[in-house]
Amino acid sequence: SQQGEEDPQALSIQEGENATMNCSYKTSINNLQWYRQNSGRGLVHLILIRSNEREKHSGRLRVTLDTSKKSSSLLITASRAADTASYFCATDAPGGSEKLVFGKGTKLTVNP
Amino acid sequence: NAGVTQTPKFQVLKTGQSMTLQCAQDMNHEYMSWYRQDPGMGLRLIHYSVGAGITDQGEVPNGYNVSRSTTEDFPLRLLSAAPSQTSVYFCASRTIAKNIQYFGAGTRLSVL
Repeated sequence: SQQGEEDPQALSIQEGENATMNCSYKTSINNLQWYRQNSGRGLVHLILIRSNEREKHSGRLRVTLDTSKKSSSLLITASRAADTASYFCATDAPGGSEKLVFGKGTKLTVNP
Repeated sequence: NAGVTQTPKFQVLKTGQSMTLQCAQDMNHEYMSWYRQDPGMGLRLIHYSVGAGITDQGEVPNGYNVSRSTTEDFPLRLLSAAPSQTSVYFCASRTIAKNIQYFGAGTRLSVL
């Protein structure tokens, strides 16, 4: 069963707007990651945040982690049409970090 | 940089046929994994390996076999294909030091 669940399932915005996606998980984690998948392609790693971190930035990406609420958010600022993709959160499985467990993803559409 | 290479990209099988999905990585990563991606289900782990000669089951292992005779290769075998195995299959690898996974481009499999 999925450890992480993204919300919303789909998001449509205009170019230049910010996009926020959320991820909730069920059990304690060592770290949480966000991946992007362009249509018909494999997943590409975006950012990793450790359980002792609260916020992390990478370019136009900002990730927050609230371990008390078991949730994370991914903010993409000043979105571009090229950001159109599905975004997945992934957590290391309870009891060990050999496996990553992925959520179902948020499909983001950025309209030009 | 080749990264993670999956072959074939597309495959159509008849029910009961067998086939092997190939996965090779040239990054000397210890960990390799196979996922399947179905609409609305996200990615689900099939099998994974933490090194040559060591494999273990993931969330949905039934109907699939794997082996890891070398660090580079991690083939996924379908012994008797079923329509329920129609899916997109992704291979991924990572090093022990980092929890970031690198994905192949995927194999789109249809079982008729």
